[in-house]
Amino acid sequence: QQQVKQSPQSLIVQKGGISIINCAYENTAFDYFPWYQQFPGKGPALLIAIRPDVSEKKEGRFTISFNKSAKQFSLHIMDSQPGDSATYFCAARGGSSASKIIFGSGTRLSIRP
Amino acid sequence: ETGVTQTPRHLVMGMTNKKSLKCEQHLGHNAMYWYKQSAKKPLELMFVYSLEERVENNSVPSRFSPECPNSSHLFLHLHTLQPEDSALYLCASSQLRGENTGELFFGEGSRLTVL
Repeated sequence: QQQVKQSPQSLIVQKGGISIINCAYENTAFDYFPWYQQFPGKGPALLIAIRPDVSEKKEGRFTISFNKSAKQFSLHIMDSQPGDSATYFCAARGGSSASKIIFGSGTRLSIRP
Repeated sequence: ETGVTQTPRHLVMGMTNKKSLKCEQHLGHNAMYWYKQSAKKPLELMFVYSLEERVENNSVPSRFSPECPNSSHLFLHLHTLQPEDSALYLCASSQLRGENTGELFFGEGSRLTVL
């Protein structure tokens, strides 16, 4: 119930391509779905987030697609660049406190020049 | 200094040692967190301090002991650790009121190796 399942574990995409990372959850009480980006030697940083009352949110080349009925959400990176190479974590929050954020296991993304 | 600062960045210790990790946040946030990051595993929440209250993950062994003397500082005291405790320990802070509730600001982590 409290898990967020993330796939794939690793992903290689050619420069200019579309990177897609998927997540699924079970708990319908989750009310906030952030994505975090982590570069080697750094802590994770918030990339983009969505609430379940919308189906899509776009910020630049990054888009979250949210399917409430399927309890799935995904991150799309358009025109992927080598600088996007990082580990991406999806997460879900159940309640008003950040202490209830549950993270996925992460996807290591590599963008080939 | 800005953001969330963690020291030391790297720590090697034996199983009988006692050491501490330190975290300081300069963002004026009212909550601080310790997370454990192990390879190929989800980030694991260990402890939360919000408004001077402590919330813990009951699965965290007692050999990890947090201390939060004020809203800007957080410590993780380590004693008699096991090799499986080797991981990256991340500190984070957040503001629990307002529109941005839920955004965690992480430090760069303390890489712990237990021999």
